Amino acid sequence: KAGVTQTPRYLIKTRGQQVTLSCSPISGHRSVSWYQQTPGQGLQFLFEYFSETQRNKGNFPGRFSGRQFSNSRSEMNVSTLELGDSALYLCASSLDGTGETEAFFGQGTRLTVV
Amino acid sequence: AQSVTQLGSHVSVSEGALVLLRCNYSSSVPPYLFWYVQYPNQGLQLLLKYTSAATLVKGINGFEAEFKKSETSFHLTKPSAHMSDAAEYFCAVRNTGTASKLTFGTGTRLQVTL
Repeated sequence: KAGVTQTPRYLIKTRGQQVTLSCSPISGHRSVSWYQQTPGQGLQFLFEYFSETQRNKGNFPGRFSGRQFSNSRSEMNVSTLELGDSALYLCASSLDGTGETEAFFGQGTRLTVV
Repeated sequence: AQSVTQLGSHVSVSEGALVLLRCNYSSSVPPYLFWYVQYPNQGLQLLLKYTSAATLVKGINGFEAEFKKSETSFHLTKPSAHMSDAAEYFCAVRNTGTASKLTFGTGTRLQVTL
C-alpha cells in the first residue's frame, strides 16, 4: 500500500512569488490535512479538507490556501511568499480525520524563501 | 482549546537505559492522544495512540505509554534505549467529536549515547 506522497521534496522560491505544493493521500483516505513545521513555532495546523470541502482551518493568513480534488489529492498554495514562510510543510492523510483515526504523514516539502 | 505540554526539549540516555518522555494534556474530557516520531528530514510516524480502550498502550519499536487521568499525563516509555531511537518525539491531541485538527507539543529530542 503506497504511503502519502508529497511533491516536490524541496523548493527554493523568491520573496513575492507564489508556490503550489501537492499531496497524494493513501488510497481510500478522504481527509487531507496540512501542517507547517518551523524551529520557532513547531508544528502548526494549516487546514483540513474532506471530500473536496475545507472542514477545518488554522490561524494562518489568507495567503495560504488549499483545495482537494475528487480523487482526494490535495494542493496547498502560498501567495506573495515571505521569508517567514520558509518551513517544512507536511501533509497528513486519514480515513476520515476524526477521533482515533490515524493520520499518516508524508515526508514533507521543504520550502526555502530567499 | 485542548493542548499538550512536553517537558524537556532534550533528553539524553545511554544505550540500554530506560527512556521516559513526558507529555501532559489539558482537556476537560479524555481526548484522543498520540505519540509520533520524526527522524531527520522525514515526516512523522505514529508510535501509538490512546483511544480509551486501555490505559496502557503498546506501540511500535518497543514503546508504550500509560494514560493517567488523575495526572492528565500520557508519558512515553521504552525499557531499553537503542541508538536507532535517536529522533524527535511529538505528543499530540485531537479533540473529540468531528474535529480533525491535531495539536502537537513542542517536541522532545532524544539523544542516545554509548
